[in-house]
Amino acid sequence: RKEVEQDPGPFNVPEGATVAFNCTYSNSASQSFFWYRQDCRKEPKLLMSVYSSGNEDGRFTAQLNRASQYISLLIRDSKLSDSATYLCVVNPGRYKLSFGAGTTVTVRA
Amino acid sequence: EAGVAQSPRYKIIEKRQSVAFWCNPISGHATLYWYQQILGQGPKLLIQFQNNGVVDDSQLPKDRFSAERLKGVDSTLKIQPAKLEDSAVYLCASSPSFGTGPNYGYTFGSGTRLTVV
Repeated sequence: RKEVEQDPGPFNVPEGATVAFNCTYSNSASQSFFWYRQDCRKEPKLLMSVYSSGNEDGRFTAQLNRASQYISLLIRDSKLSDSATYLCVVNPGRYKLSFGAGTTVTVRA
Repeated sequence: EAGVAQSPRYKIIEKRQSVAFWCNPISGHATLYWYQQILGQGPKLLIQFQNNGVVDDSQLPKDRFSAERLKGVDSTLKIQPAKLEDSAVYLCASSPSFGTGPNYGYTFGSGTRLTVV
């Protein structure tokens, strides 16, 4: 079983729509969680951390469910510029970061 | 602040040839990481250095891959001989200290795209 699994998508949504997707992780001892954004042919960049209580950053909302071992990301009022691959990242302990394969989101005009 | 520098940006080689990638981390960052990202997959950690010592190289194919960070600053990743399945983007990242995560200055370089033909 992979450490981090994501629905690859693609999620194809119109501008202004809400899109949400999850990732699951296998290590119940995982300590911290993140969403990264990766544009085509670019390096991954930190989008936001995911906290146990859930957190928002503008139009982005992240949730963590430790009992079910999944993390979610919701994007409200989608913009064309939100088109990217979203990588779910888990710290299973110590220094290591484990990356999912990514969920592709395409926002159309 | 200057970012993580990598070179070259692109490299095309024939299988069985050798290739080397270079990374210069953010100044003062003690920890340096090399990742391999195959198309359609997330980055996979190959090796992690803390200063000039190796912390984790458990996923580095040591029969063909090697890496060094001799002075604890810049690093070189080498593949010899290359195989077709080594075609990927090789990403370097650095962080200020051991164990720090993305919240604390963990930064990726723009990567080297390797094509093995």
